[in-house]
Amino acid sequence: GAVVSQHPSRVICKSGTSVKIECRSLDFQATTMFWYRQFPKQSLMLMATSNEGSKATYEQGVEKDKFLINHASLTLSTLTVTSAHPEDSSFYICSASSAGQINYGYTFGSGTRLTVV
Amino acid sequence: AQSVTQLDSHVSVSEGTPVLLRCNYSSSYSPSLFWYVQHPNKGLQLLLKYTSAATLVKGINGFEAEFKKSETSFHLTKPSAHMSDAAEYFCVVSGSDSWGKLQFGAGTQVVVTP
Repeated sequence: GAVVSQHPSRVICKSGTSVKIECRSLDFQATTMFWYRQFPKQSLMLMATSNEGSKATYEQGVEKDKFLINHASLTLSTLTVTSAHPEDSSFYICSASSAGQINYGYTFGSGTRLTVV
Repeated sequence: AQSVTQLDSHVSVSEGTPVLLRCNYSSSYSPSLFWYVQHPNKGLQLLLKYTSAATLVKGINGFEAEFKKSETSFHLTKPSAHMSDAAEYFCVVSGSDSWGKLQFGAGTQVVVTP
C-alpha cells in the first residue's frame, strides 16, 4: 500500500533557529500534500496544501513566511519552521494523495514532534 | 462547506464489549467520509472510508461504519473491543467542493479496561 515517510520523528531546537521537516511518498507520486499541526489532546489543524511545482496554499491565520513549504518533486515536500519559538512546539503531520485519489483517502506520515527550547 | 461533529470526546469500554463512536456530518455535496485512528505520538491510520458505494463499510481490525444520509451520520462500531483499540479516533469528511481538503472532527479518546 501507499507509504509516506516523515522525518525527523522528533526534533529539539533552540529558539531562533530553523527546522526542516521532510515528507516523502515512497511508492506513489504525490501530486498533493497537506501539512497539519496538532496540539496536545486536540484534532488536526490544516496549515497548508501544496501541489507539486506550485506555491502552497495556506489556511487563514497561518504565517506563510514562518512556515515555508516546498513541494519541488512528486515524492517530496518539506516544511521549514523559520525562527522557531517555543509556541511553535507542536506535532506536525503531513499527508499525501495522488492525482485521481482525492476523496478516496490519504496516506499520513508518522508525524514530527517539534520542541523549541 | 462541510463539517463533522464527534458526539463523544471520551469513550470507555471493557475489553470484549462493543464499541460505538458517533459522528455526524454536514456537507453541501455528496461527501466522502473516513475514520482514522491515531496512537500516541503516531501518525494517522485509515480504518475505513465511504465514497458513495455500499452504505455499510467494513474496515480493518474488525471495525465497520454505516453511512446514513437521512441522519447525516457515520457511526463507527466494533463488536468486541481489544486492549489494542485504545487510541484516538477521528471522523473526517471531504466534499467534492473542497478540493480534497479534509475536515477533521475533534476526536474521540477510547479507553479499554481489562
